[in-house]
Amino acid sequence: EVQLVQSGAEVKKPGESLKISCKGSGYSFTNYWIGWVRQMPGKGLEWMGVIYPGDSDTKYSPSFQGLVTISADKSITTAYLQWSSLKASDTAIYYCARLRDAFTSGADFWGQGTLVTVSS
Amino acid sequence: NFMLTQPHSVSGSPGKTVTISCTRSSGRIATNFVQWYQQRPGSAPTNVIYDDNQRPSGVPDRFSGSIDSSSNSASLTISGLRTEDEADYYCQSYHSSNWVFGGGTKLTVL
Repeated sequence: EVQLVQSGAEVKKPGESLKISCKGSGYSFTNYWIGWVRQMPGKGLEWMGVIYPGDSDTKYSPSFQGLVTISADKSITTAYLQWSSLKASDTAIYYCARLRDAFTSGADFWGQGTLVTVSS
Repeated sequence: NFMLTQPHSVSGSPGKTVTISCTRSSGRIATNFVQWYQQRPGSAPTNVIYDDNQRPSGVPDRFSGSIDSSSNSASLTISGLRTEDEADYYCQSYHSSNWVFGGGTKLTVL
């Protein structure tokens, strides 16, 4: 059974750093892109970027380039999303998702989401 | 880049049929596949249609997708509405290594 299990909710202060995770299981982790999607409170879905764990090829949405870092450790089948200096506007739920065989065919499995709250 | 525009909300009665549209602002809708995701309150999104009109395993055939080149839009049709269909629905397509999401449509089953 394919599963993506994300790390737990985080409460941080502005300026702090954070790294959240997404552990894949039940499939060949290195052969599928993993994407990250943001959902701000009461808002829609926003594409952040993707990583191919097989070779760590990474692509960022222009809206998030330079603001976050996406990485993966294939030895432990885990993808990461990290911030070096959080802002209050980073408060959101962050989802990881496995992309289908074809990059253009969307995501077939999603993590449960990680709530990040940034508040002083 | 292009935008995908969805109606803010739609509603229907149990047993009826509703259609949610997703209009592409520029470029041809048929250029890139369209996916649809369902997001129930407090839950992660799930995929209900991919590649314009393909249903993932486990999604009932009450859900169907299509594209219309004349209106440059994609549509998600849900027939035999059930209360559990009440959710937000998002369309999604692709452009130059980036995904594009529609703004989402809230479906209310009255």
